[in-house]
Amino acid sequence: QSVLAQPPSVSGTPGQRVTISCSGSSSNIGSNTVSWYQQLPGMAPKLLIYSNNQRPSGVPDGFSGSKSGTSASLAISGLQSEDEADYYCAAWDDSLNGPVFGGGTKLTVL
Amino acid sequence: EVQLVQSGAEVKKPGEPLKISCKGSGYNFATYWIIWVRQMPGKGLEWMGIIFPDDSDIRYSPSFQGQVTISADKSISTAYLQWSSLKASDTATYYCARLYYYGSRWFDSWGQGTLVTVSS
Repeated sequence: QSVLAQPPSVSGTPGQRVTISCSGSSSNIGSNTVSWYQQLPGMAPKLLIYSNNQRPSGVPDGFSGSKSGTSASLAISGLQSEDEADYYCAAWDDSLNGPVFGGGTKLTVL
Repeated sequence: EVQLVQSGAEVKKPGEPLKISCKGSGYNFATYWIIWVRQMPGKGLEWMGIIFPDDSDIRYSPSFQGQVTISADKSISTAYLQWSSLKASDTATYYCARLYYYGSRWFDSWGQGTLVTVSS
C-alpha cells in the first residue's frame, strides 16, 4: 500500500487531455512540494515535474502540475502515443523523514 | 552533464551476498544525497534508503532497515547497496537517483537500473 494514492490507470485518445491525481496527507503533500516522474516501458524513471508545477528543460509544455492542500494533479494535454507510460508522484514526508511515492498510474493512449 | 551509471544485471542464488554500485559524474558527488529505490516486477517505486556521501549520513526506510546496507565512497564518486544474504523476494530492479534539494526536494537524475534476479 503506497503512502500517496494514485488511480491505477487512466486512458485517452490522441489529442485529448487527461489528468492523474495524487492524494496524500498533511505530513507529505500538505507540507512539502510534489514531483512527478514518467517511466516508459523498460526504462528508468525520468523527472517530469518538480516543485509542484515546474518543468525541467526538455519536458514538453503539454505536461503541467498543480497542488492544492494534500492533493496534487498531473495534466497531459495533446496526448500522443509516446506518452504511454507509468506516472508516479512523490513528496517528502516529514514523519518518515524520507520520500514517499504514489503507487503509479498507467496511461494508455487508445 | 549529470550522470548516474549503475553496475550490471546480477543472477544470484538464495543466501548469496551481493553489492551493487552507482557511479556519479558531472557534478560534486559528495554534496548531493543519493537514494536507492526498489521496483519489484510489475510494481511501483519503493524508497529503501538515502545517503549523503560527504559524511556517509544514512537514513533507511523502516521497511528496509536491517535488510540492506547502504554505503558510499566519495573518493570514487560511488554509492553502494548490499545484501549479506539474498532471498527470492529480493528479485527486483534497483535504481539510484540524485536528490536535488533547493528549498524543495526532487530526484533529478536517475541511474539506468540494476536487475537483480535471485533464484535457486
